[in-house]
Formats: sequence, C-alpha cells, structure tokens
Amino acid sequence: GAVVSQHPSWVICKSGTSVKIECRSLDFQATTMFWYRQFPKQSLMLMATSNEGSKATYEQGVEKDKFLINHASLTLSTLTVTSAHPEDSSFYICSAVLAGVGHEQFFGPGTRLTVL
Amino acid sequence: LAKTTQPISMDSYEGQEVNITCSHNNIATNDYITWYQQFPSQGPRFIIQGYKTKVTNEVASLFIPADRKSSTLSLPRVSLSDTAVYYCLALPSGGYQKVTFGTGTKLQVIP
Repeated sequence: GAVVSQHPSWVICKSGTSVKIECRSLDFQATTMFWYRQFPKQSLMLMATSNEGSKATYEQGVEKDKFLINHASLTLSTLTVTSAHPEDSSFYICSAVLAGVGHEQFFGPGTRLTVL
Repeated sequence: LAKTTQPISMDSYEGQEVNITCSHNNIATNDYITWYQQFPSQGPRFIIQGYKTKVTNEVASLFIPADRKSSTLSLPRVSLSDTAVYYCLALPSGGYQKVTFGTGTKLQVIP
C-alpha cells in the first residue's frame, strides 16, 4: 500500500527556535498533502492544504507566517514552525492523496513536537 | 463538508463483535464513507471504505443503507489490540478536498 513517512518522529526545541517537519510519500506521487495538528485526547485539526507547486491554503485561525508550508515536489511537503512557543507543542500529522486514484488519504506516522 | 457524528466512547469484551455507528446526514453524492483507526501517538490507519450497501475486508465490514445518511463499522471478535480511536469520514471523490475529523469513537476492549 501507499506509504507516507514523516521526519523527525519527535523533536524537542527551545522556545523561539524554528523546527522543520518533513512529509514524504515514499512510493507514490502526491499532488496534494494535508497537515493536521492533534492535541492530547483531541481529534485531528486540519491546519492547511498543501498543493505541489503552489501556495498552501490555510484554515481559519492558522497563522501562515508561523506555520510555513512548502510543497516543492510531488513526494515532499515540509512544515516549518517558526519561532516556536510552548503552546505549539503538539502532534503534527500529514496525509497525502494518491494522484489520480481513489478516495483515500494516506497518513504519516506523526511528529511529536515539544517546545521548552 | 459533510459532518460526521459518532459515539464518543464504547467498551467491549474481547471476542465480541463491535458495531460503531456514524451519522452523516449531509453527505454529498460524491462522498465515500471511510473509517480510520488511530492508536496513541500514531497517524490514522485506513480500515475500510464504501459508497453504499456492504463492504467487507479482512479486518472489518462496513454497512451503508440506501439513504447513506449513516453507516456502521463492524469489527468481528475484537481483541485487546483493537483498543483505539475510530474515525468515520466522508471523503470526497478523488480525495483532494479537505475533510473534517469528528470526535471519533474511543473503543476500549476489556479482557
């Protein structure tokens, strides 16, 4: 089946620093990827839709200048949390849509971000 | 975007069949009912998907009535390892449109 990876799986950083999270579709091309955030014991919240070669579309309430998304190729999207603060600590999950096929999103394993 | 509603939690004993219902009254014509399983600190994992009637795979069955306003995920003979959160989604055809996750159903399997 289609596999999506994320790197790193977990990261701890100091407040004020920036962190980059990578999302890769390993065995398929993905023109569209989604980024979610999940706080403890809560559901996934969509942050943005990432389309290859174009600007990401952010959900209401998500700061585009704080959460920079780059989808430079059909297999890679990156999420950079800029000037991270403790309230940004969360579980970040990406998903990818298999281009031209089906009705399914394939999810990555997630990245646990802890901001001290 | 079609909104889905599920029970927040369910308990079941090992070996029993578990049925989790999902309501999606405003489902669109091109939406597919899709169920995901999520363990703590992991990404959601695809379980099953269907458009109408019944779909069965090696891990679950999905029942969707003719009006498609609800669906039921059936897990046969659950084990402790099935303890997880189960999400019901209405995924648009092609999968390129954003979706909204509901609360999901926290299934606790009891020995």
